[in-house]
Amino acid sequence: GQQLNQSPQSMFIQEGEDVSMNCTSSSIFNTWLWYKQDPGEGPVLLIALYKAGELTSNGRLTAQFGITRKDSFLNISASIPSDVGIYFCAVPNGGSQGNLIFGKGTKLSVKP
Amino acid sequence: NAGVTQTPKFQVLKTGQSMTLQCAQDMNHEYMSWYRQDPGMGLRLIHYSVGAGITDQGEVPNGYNVSRSTTEDFPLRLLSAAPSQTSVYFCASSYSPGGDTEAFFGQGTRLTVV
Repeated sequence: GQQLNQSPQSMFIQEGEDVSMNCTSSSIFNTWLWYKQDPGEGPVLLIALYKAGELTSNGRLTAQFGITRKDSFLNISASIPSDVGIYFCAVPNGGSQGNLIFGKGTKLSVKP
Repeated sequence: NAGVTQTPKFQVLKTGQSMTLQCAQDMNHEYMSWYRQDPGMGLRLIHYSVGAGITDQGEVPNGYNVSRSTTEDFPLRLLSAAPSQTSVYFCASSYSPGGDTEAFFGQGTRLTVV
């Protein structure tokens, strides 16, 4: 099946540092999504990207839809302790199925 | 605002036992899905439904059954639990397919099979 390659797998950073993570695929997608999963909770949508080259911000988070439509990037600026969690990229599974393909996630730890 | 409600939150089963994981949503969403989350594997699709009476298999369907008799409910049944089914299970719903609208997730059911 289709796969999303997400990196890095995990990050340990100091509070206040900036964070970057990315997701790549061998296939083209018309939508890229970024979800965050807090410990013990289900994933929650952070940012949705619908157009190649699009750059979208949500507070300290910025995500970009790659020009080739095969990748996406998520940046977090000035990290804080509540940024801790697992970040997933996701794309629609195609057709009218209503489900998603997920990357394996980037686990973020922030030291105060 | 209930959103997507999963029960139970935690469950321990013995190998060979059967059980049903419940999922209900109050947003009148047509699309519902079940995923399992294992360390380092992300979320993998088990089964999904595009509306009442319609279900289909995802990436890892073996050992699980689903039904969708109403728009609101989408239970996941484990027929004969195996240790390989130890995982965290998430139910999700969305108004329209793919990434057109947001997929909402429940809080998860943490299942251990011993």
